[in-house]
Amino acid sequence: EVQLVESGGGLIQPGGSLRLSCAASGFTFSTYWMHWVRQVPGKGLVWVSRINPDGSSTTYADSLKGRFTMSRDNAKNTLYLQMNSLRAEDTAVFYCAGQRTNSPIDYWGQGTLVSVSS
Amino acid sequence: EIVLTQSPATLSLSPGERATLSCGASQSVTRNFLAWYQQKPGLAPRLLFYDASSRATGIPDRFSGSGSGTDFTLTISRLEPEDFAVYYCQQYGSLPLTFGGGTKVEIK
Repeated sequence: EVQLVESGGGLIQPGGSLRLSCAASGFTFSTYWMHWVRQVPGKGLVWVSRINPDGSSTTYADSLKGRFTMSRDNAKNTLYLQMNSLRAEDTAVFYCAGQRTNSPIDYWGQGTLVSVSS
Repeated sequence: EIVLTQSPATLSLSPGERATLSCGASQSVTRNFLAWYQQKPGLAPRLLFYDASSRATGIPDRFSGSGSGTDFTLTISRLEPEDFAVYYCQQYGSLPLTFGGGTKVEIK
């Protein structure tokens, strides 16, 4: 059974940092492009970032302006998102998601809620 | 960036009725790499269609996807109670990946 399990969310003050993790199982993690997608509660889905299968290349949404860093450890089947200088508008559920080359995102985690508030 | 516009924002229908959801792209979607997802409250999105018209595993045949280029459609031929949800289109042919704003299919 494919599983993506996010962790690391929570309440953080504006300006703070948080690292999200996503533990993968049930598929060959090292062959998948991985993404982070966020969703403000009650709103739509917004793509955040992508990393290639071997972790050598990342791409981010322009709106992030260098505040977020995505990485992966294929030996541990784990994906990460380091989030710095957090703002109230970063409050959202963050999903990790997996995609094969030239295919849609077909694996999703259950999401972890990040709340940025003083 | 490819902007995806979904219409209508809300569709109020009764079980058994036909639902037609539209997704328009601001420019042609590369290789018609267009997906449709269903999302229910508190859950992750579920893949329905990819490559505009290929049904994902386990998706009932009352769902159909069509379109190419800049105009795409998701059709539910006869709504079942479990189909009332929010539906998103998404293009994965170019970065940044983009999603439409969603269409909520609600019970009339």
